[in-house]
This record gives sequence, structure tokens and C-alpha cells, in this order.
Amino acid sequence: AQKITQTQPGMFVQEKEAVTLDCTYDTSDQSYGLFWYKQPSSGEMIFLIYQGSYDEQNATEGRYSLNFQKARKSANLVISASQLGDSAMYFCATDQGSGYSTLTFGKGTMLLVSP
Amino acid sequence: DAGITQSPRHKVTETGTPVTLRCHQTENHRYMYWYRQDPGHGLRLIHYSYGVKDTDKGEVSDGYSVSRSKTEDFLLTLESATSSQTSVYFCAISEILGRGRSGYTFGSGTRLTVV
Repeated sequence: AQKITQTQPGMFVQEKEAVTLDCTYDTSDQSYGLFWYKQPSSGEMIFLIYQGSYDEQNATEGRYSLNFQKARKSANLVISASQLGDSAMYFCATDQGSGYSTLTFGKGTMLLVSP
Repeated sequence: DAGITQSPRHKVTETGTPVTLRCHQTENHRYMYWYRQDPGHGLRLIHYSYGVKDTDKGEVSDGYSVSRSKTEDFLLTLESATSSQTSVYFCAISEILGRGRSGYTFGSGTRLTVV
């Protein structure tokens, strides 16, 4: 069974600053995927970034980067230059990474960006 | 856009009544999922389907049944709704994106209140 732990229920950051959202995972699979989703107050689930367990380089997507430390089983999301629109709930998730599988989510971190 | 439509978007129902939520997709995806989202729990898998008439249980399947008689439709049924099933329900699809990686896309969600 897979497990995701997000230890920060809430985070505050000032606009234009960088913020790191923590995620640790537990899996016995050799191959797995790590995902981050954003859920704004409107409720939709928005995919942000993906990291495969065999990817040697950290994933980046615009202002989002994933700090992947395999030995520590951590997959932290880094948001650079925060914007007011980044205020949302953020979920870390993992799957079995072998074609079709299922996503297991953490409990989420609420990020609030202040002016 | 994976063309996922959930209906209804909102529903209020009484304890003990049956409720069916519908997920409809237009792109012939093989895998479909039902998740529920509750504060403090993130998203938890209820049931998933890997083809017509092929379904399996997730983490929180008690009190729920599913059916998939057509590729495009995945139905979630609460046979006798209880207040503990008040939640936001998300449907999702997955698709293979290459190199063993899956991509997951979520519907807009159904907010169900059981009174």
C-alpha cells in the first residue's frame, strides 16, 4: 500500500516570495509516479507537475519545481515568485507508475499568499 | 480536455434514499475512478473501473456500488444514503502518456449533502 504524508496543514507566504510545500511518501514499489495537484476555492483539481521514480532530474513546470529526494522519500513542491492566484489547497499524490494504476493522495496543504 | 462531465453538480437528499451519481467521458478512456473528498482526508478512492463491467474496490468502498455498462459512463450508487456520505465526489480518468507514465484528469465534482 502507498501512503502520502503532508505535514503542513497551512502555509503562509508573501507575494513574490518562494514557498516549499512538503510531501513524503511510503511505497514498496520500485516504479512509481509523484504528482502535485492544485485545488482553488472553485473546487476543480488542476494538475501541476509530475516526477517519475526513475527520473534523474527534478521536474520543472514554469514556476513550479519538484524537489525529489528519493533516498529520503520526499517530493516537495517549490513555487517560486508566489502570486495571489496561488492561494489554494495543494495535494501530493502517488501512483504505482506502471501504466494504469490508482492515485493515492495526501491530506493537502492550504497555501495563502498575502500581498 | 478529457471531456469529463459529472452530474448532478449538487444534490441534497434524505437519509435512507438511494442516490446515483454519473460520470460521463467522451474520449474512450479505459480507466475511470470515483473519489470522495472530505476536510482533513484529502481525496480517497471509492471504486475504479478498468473496462466495461470490470470494477474494483478502493479504500472507502463500504456503502457504495458502481456500474459500467458502457465505456463512457461510470455510475456511483449510494444504495441507502447516510449523513457520513455527505462529501464532494470526484470522477477521474487516466490515460497512458508514454514511458509508463499515467495522466489523471478530474471532473468538476458533485457536492452531495445527506440530511
